[in-house]
Order: sequence, then structure tokens, then C-alpha cells
Amino acid sequence: NAGVTQTPKFQVLKTGQSMTLQCAQDMNHNSMYWYRQDPGMGLRLIYYSASEGTTDKGEVPNGYNVSRLNKREFSLRLESAAPSQTSVYFCASSEWTGFAGKEETQYFGPGTRLLVL
Amino acid sequence: GIQVEQSPPDLILQEGANSTLRCNFSDSVNNLQWFHQNPWGQLINLFYIPSGTKQNGRLSATTVATERYSLLYISSSQTTDSGVYFCAVVFGGATNKLIFGTGTLLAVQP
Repeated sequence: NAGVTQTPKFQVLKTGQSMTLQCAQDMNHNSMYWYRQDPGMGLRLIYYSASEGTTDKGEVPNGYNVSRLNKREFSLRLESAAPSQTSVYFCASSEWTGFAGKEETQYFGPGTRLLVL
Repeated sequence: GIQVEQSPPDLILQEGANSTLRCNFSDSVNNLQWFHQNPWGQLINLFYIPSGTKQNGRLSATTVATERYSLLYISSSQTTDSGVYFCAVVFGGATNKLIFGTGTLLAVQP
């Protein structure tokens, strides 16, 4: 049981290049999330997927697209990378069902460190 | 606007000391989690605690939802407790979107 896995661990891009960050979870969770963490700050939500086939914007969605490929996998794409997207990207998943009162802990992957030159 | 504030921002302890970290939030919450981010960047779940008190070994947490704050207690601190502690909340509504505080940087010295 690997939990949440992310690939790649590190990536260096030039401005204008594109790339896709991959995330997979093996906990049969309904919901998946992408966050970014900038130096000295907490995490901010980019996009999330409450269930297979649905995606929604978070706090900082500009410059990103996502795909919920199936229940296990949720990818984040940068179409034209910019230096402002240099950050550490975390994927998370949870069993969230939308019903209040249920314990809905989010579990995080190890992160992808992205540098855009 | 929506706010999650943590204090203190930085804390230096000698091994064996106790500490209390605080998280204040600006509205009622459906979800509150405490995380430890270790020096390698990994986020580790400590507690899911939108209300009440929980304990896990040397760590415990209390959330007083009516007064909009949560406390994380670390007793008999060890060097492995070093890192950043984040509080994250989901405010009311049918979402599970976590809003993170800016964290408390803890350094435990031997």
C-alpha cells in the first residue's frame, strides 16, 4: 500500500516548455487535490476533483490544467511554464463524500520540486 | 476574508521541553488537520480534529470550535520533532478544500 505517489520528484523546465505532473493513489479515495507550496508559505489549492469525472478550481488555478484520468490518477499540466510556477507541487487524496460529520483526512504525496528558468 | 493564523511563527526548544502551538481561524470549520512537514519536505498527518481533544503519544491536540482555535501540544520534545507544523481547515459548505496557515517552524536542539 504505497498511499499517494507522484512523478517526477524533480524537474527543471525552461520558460514556455510544457509538462505533466502525475499523481496516483491506491486507497480507493474519491477525491484528489493538487497544491503548490512556495518558500516560507503554506500550501495553496490549485485544482481538485471531488469524484471521477469532475474537476474544480481552487485558489490559484491560472496557468494549470488537470485531468482525472480514472479513480486512481489525477494529473496536473503546465502548458507554458513560467518562472512564477517554480514551486513544490503536492498531490493529495481523501475519502471525502460530501457528507458533514465524516472524518475526511487528506493524505499527501511526497511532492514534486519544479524549477522554471 | 478567510484567515488561518498560526503562532508563534518560530520556536526553538531544548530537547525534553514542552510546547504549545496555536491555530486561530476566522469562521466555523468542517475539517481541521494538523500536519508536520519534516526537513525533507514530507507532509505527515498528525490529527484530524474539527472539535474535541485527541492524543497520540507525546502529541495531543484540542480544538474549541465555538471559539475558533486549535492547540497542538508537544511534550518531551525530540530532535526528530523539528520541522514546520501546519494547521489547515475547511470552512463551512459542501467542499473539502483545505486552507493552510503559514506554519510554525520548530527547531529542537540536542
